[in-house]
Amino acid sequence: ETGVTQTPRHLVMGMTNKKSLKCEQHLGHNAMYWYKQSAKKPLELMFVYSLEERVENNSVPSRFSPECPNSSHLFLHLHTLQPEDSALYLCASSLKGTDTQYFGPGTRLTVL
Amino acid sequence: AQSVTQLGSHVSVSEGALVLLRCNYSSSVPPYLFWYVQYPNQGLQLLLKYTSAATLVKGINGFEAEFKKSETSFHLTKPSAHMSDAAEYFCAVSGSGGTSYGKLTFGQGTILTVHP
Repeated sequence: ETGVTQTPRHLVMGMTNKKSLKCEQHLGHNAMYWYKQSAKKPLELMFVYSLEERVENNSVPSRFSPECPNSSHLFLHLHTLQPEDSALYLCASSLKGTDTQYFGPGTRLTVL
Repeated sequence: AQSVTQLGSHVSVSEGALVLLRCNYSSSVPPYLFWYVQYPNQGLQLLLKYTSAATLVKGINGFEAEFKKSETSFHLTKPSAHMSDAAEYFCAVSGSGGTSYGKLTFGQGTILTVHP
């Protein structure tokens, strides 16, 4: 695998389910990001991890819980989501001290 | 604070015609500027970036963009559109100023349609 990968690519869940999104980067980067992309809205930065430490949390509801066990992996744990949380969730990575981010293909999440 | 405005949420061109996608930015620090492209059901792919070197930046797939400080613009152009250019394009600005990670602010996106 090369670049940034995300699994699953598609996820349908009920409001009471618990699921996790996974992101893995194969670029030797040490900063990772979660974005939310909703229809007709700009990309929203959710979380930033730099050197496995969370450095930014943009007022994201607690039903979204990130985890970064090492510099190559990033998870987004989901529980008791709302229908308005349906969106494309994008993961990105970059090298510390640089601004260029590389994105994964995203996970299309539908909350019923 | 930073912001990005992309003029025109939809742009339609004929195959072989000039592509011009407009982006204006505001930034309190010298900006780094980016264009990304997103094809249907895919993530964002970096087209090109400006990082204070040459003001005319060449990217992949024949695209280029010119940084104009006086106009606070970073418009994306391609001389001759191809059907495969149909996608959504995002302009982004970064003003992390050397922090340990990049902080991008994205525009709303412009959907490019190419007609045969």
